[in-house]
Order: sequence, then structure tokens, then C-alpha cells
Amino acid sequence: DAGVIQSPRHEVTEMGQEVTLRCKPISGHNSLFWYRQTMMRGLELLIYFNNNVPIDDSGMPEDRFSAKMPNASFSTLKIQPSEPRDSAVYFCASLRGTDTQYFGPGTRLTVL
Amino acid sequence: GENVEQHPSTLSVQEGDSAVIKCTYSDSASNYFPWYKQELGKGPQLIIDIRSNVGEKKDQRIAVTLNKTAKHFSLHITETQPEDSAVYFCAASIGGNNRLAFGKGNQVVVIP
Repeated sequence: DAGVIQSPRHEVTEMGQEVTLRCKPISGHNSLFWYRQTMMRGLELLIYFNNNVPIDDSGMPEDRFSAKMPNASFSTLKIQPSEPRDSAVYFCASLRGTDTQYFGPGTRLTVL
Repeated sequence: GENVEQHPSTLSVQEGDSAVIKCTYSDSASNYFPWYKQELGKGPQLIIDIRSNVGEKKDQRIAVTLNKTAKHFSLHITETQPEDSAVYFCAASIGGNNRLAFGKGNQVVVIP
């Protein structure tokens, strides 16, 4: 199994630009999670989907953030417009049923 | 909501010695407790987990113990090796569902 796949691995952009992060969960997994990791706040859950439906987006910081899961094998996290304080590592994780979450390698985002 | 705390924040051990990391949680409904290891530039990787119907679980040099009454669980690494150096995160399920609350992480340094 290829594991959770995320792209890009690194993204550098300028303030105000739109950023789109992508995730492909492990085949057969029916839940998907987006996290943000910073030194100050640790791992924060942004949103999670179950069977492609957003279940809890209470962690999404503000309206500039949006996430979609059009099908079972693909999800996006979009930031528009981006700000320097959005700089962080963004992780996607997936699970099947009540098993544990498996994390992708992350996308390191730098907003200048 | 669930609050997970880890102690100590940094731990240095001599190669061959044991390392113990403790976590406490607040939600008595939590029933699943995974431990993740994160190496530099990588996503968190599951190393061991335990469910609330079990008090201890062991996998080679790694073990986890759970005390539901006191609401704490610990990771034990025996015969530490340099490759054990990483950040370790504990987590607890939120309200018995698929979401996880993470601790802030422990930096473990194994000194050769």
C-alpha cells in the first residue's frame, strides 16, 4: 500500500495568493482528517470527513480556509487569501472504520 | 473537550537505558490511546496503541500501559537506540469517536 499521499511536499507563496493542498487517502479508508502543525500549537484538527461528508469543521480557523472531498480518493484544503500566519506543516490522515489514523508526509507551507 | 498533556517535554537518555513518557487525559469517555513517532521532516507514524479494555500492551522494545481510573497512560521504550531519537505524541479519542486529541509531543534524545 502506498500510504497517504500529499502534494505538494513544500509550497512557498506570497501573502494574498491562493494555496491548494492535496491528499489521497489510503484505498478503502472512509474517514479523512486535515491537521495543521506548528511549534506553538502542536497538532490541530482542522476538519474531518466521513464517507466524503464533512463531519466537523470547527477547527477551521476562518473563512479563508475551505476543504472538499469530491470522492473517496481525493481531498483538497484551500487557503484564499493566504497570510504569513498560515505558515505551518499541514497533514492529511485517513482511517478505516474505527482503526487508527495513518498520516501522510505533510505539506510544509511558507507564506511570505 | 478532551485535554491531553505529556510529560516531560524533553527527555535525554543514554543508549541502552529505558525511556518513559507519561500522558494524562481529561475525558472519561476516551477509549482509544495511540502513540505516534515523528522524525524530522516526516509525518507522525503509529508505533503502538491501546484500547480501554486492556491495561498493558507490548511490542518488542515498546510497551504502553493504561490506568483508566487515574486517566493516564505511558509509553515505555527499553534498550533505547539512536534511531529512537524523535518526537513522540500521545493521543486520546474524543468522546469515543474517530477524532483524536493530541498531546504537545516529547522530544526524546538517545545519546550514543
